[in-house]
Amino acid sequence: GDSVTQMEGPVTLSEEAFLTINCTYTATGYPSLFWYVQYPGEGLQLLLKATKADDKGSNKGFEATYRKETTSFHLEKGSVQVSDSAVYFCALSSGGSYIPTFGRGTSLIVHP
Amino acid sequence: DVKVTQSSRYLVKRTGEKVFLECVQDMDHENMFWYRQDPGLGLRLIYFSYDVKMKEKGDIPEGYSVSREKKERFSLILESASTNQTSMYLCASSLDPSTIAKNIQYFGAGTRLSVL
Repeated sequence: GDSVTQMEGPVTLSEEAFLTINCTYTATGYPSLFWYVQYPGEGLQLLLKATKADDKGSNKGFEATYRKETTSFHLEKGSVQVSDSAVYFCALSSGGSYIPTFGRGTSLIVHP
Repeated sequence: DVKVTQSSRYLVKRTGEKVFLECVQDMDHENMFWYRQDPGLGLRLIYFSYDVKMKEKGDIPEGYSVSREKKERFSLILESASTNQTSMYLCASSLDPSTIAKNIQYFGAGTRLSVL
């Protein structure tokens, strides 16, 4: 079945540092890929998505590129802020499935 | 903007009580979901519904039931609450996966349930 593996956290960074959160997946066919973010005390919200190979999703300074050859969708940001502290979830949606597959989430803590 | 509203942010219940968690979405989405979120375990799907009065079990349905009498409302029921059901519960909705908006999920803010 489909699966998503993302790096365990917490990831702790200083403000303005470069961020990478790794995500790799296993899926049949050509899934759509997503990053969701969960700020403290809130539900998840979509951060960015990519629907085909080599697509780059971007939003709020975050980027991720759909790499079919390495089955990866790593999340990056050039300069993190304290307000980026949150839990980040990688997810995929395969074919016509109603149900996305989520990774376990990676907590990001950014210190001033 | 899509809005998914969960009726309570925090609930405290006693063991054995019947508990209702309510979720309402305002964007005419076909699909609705209930997840629980626990540290180190990520999101686990309890039940989902792809149409009114339709429901399907997810990965961890034991001890839960659901009701979807109207398209916009999806209720999670704990028939007899137990301490191991203490958790964060998240409701989500999405469009039909055949649409271009392909399975983007919209989440409520969550209900943190404590069973004592």
